[in-house]
Amino acid sequence: EVQLVESGGGLVQPGGSLRLSCAASGFTFSDHNMDWVRQAPGKGLEWVGRTRNQANSYTTEYAASVKGRFTISRDGSKNSLYLQMNSLKTEDTAVYYCTRRGDWGQGTLVTVSS
Amino acid sequence: DIVMTQSPDSLAVSLGERASINCKSSQNVLYSSNNKNFLDWYQQKPGQPPKLLISWASTRESGVPDRFSGSGSGTDFTLTISSLQAEDVAVYYCQQYYSVPITFGQGTKLEIK
Repeated sequence: EVQLVESGGGLVQPGGSLRLSCAASGFTFSDHNMDWVRQAPGKGLEWVGRTRNQANSYTTEYAASVKGRFTISRDGSKNSLYLQMNSLKTEDTAVYYCTRRGDWGQGTLVTVSS
Repeated sequence: DIVMTQSPDSLAVSLGERASINCKSSQNVLYSSNNKNFLDWYQQKPGQPPKLLISWASTRESGVPDRFSGSGSGTDFTLTISSLQAEDVAVYYCQQYYSVPITFGQGTKLEIK
């Protein structure tokens, strides 16, 4: 059974940083593209970025709204995905989901507020 | 970027009646090399992550009731619930997986009339 478990959310001030983690299990982690998707309170779904699979050299892509501020990485030895978020803005407030196409974690809430 | 536009934004249907949600992409999401549409449908209930209902535009996921079906190709797609049940109240999203950035429709809120 595929499991994705996010952690690391919390309250942070504007301009601050936060690192989210996603523990993956139930599949061969290196074989799959992994995405981060977020959902602001009461709003729709917004793709944040992707790290591709090993066959595609783990390359990364980002949404324009976070490019230059967010960095996605992965650790195959720990079957874990990460999202490093810097220079956070109030508009980054959202539930952040770790996803492998069709499979989603429960999400972790990030609140950016002074 | 591929823009996904759903219609309607909200929908109220009586129990047992048919509900249809449309999704239009600004570009073709049919991949010619395998003849598959990179279009998924999700259901999201309050406080829960999205749940994949339909992949490749028309392939129902395991465990999804057969009252849910997907159709369409290229740029125009439809999610149909043949006989609405109370547990189907949710927000429904289409998502294109054809190219980065991955994009979603704005969502359609389905309620009971």
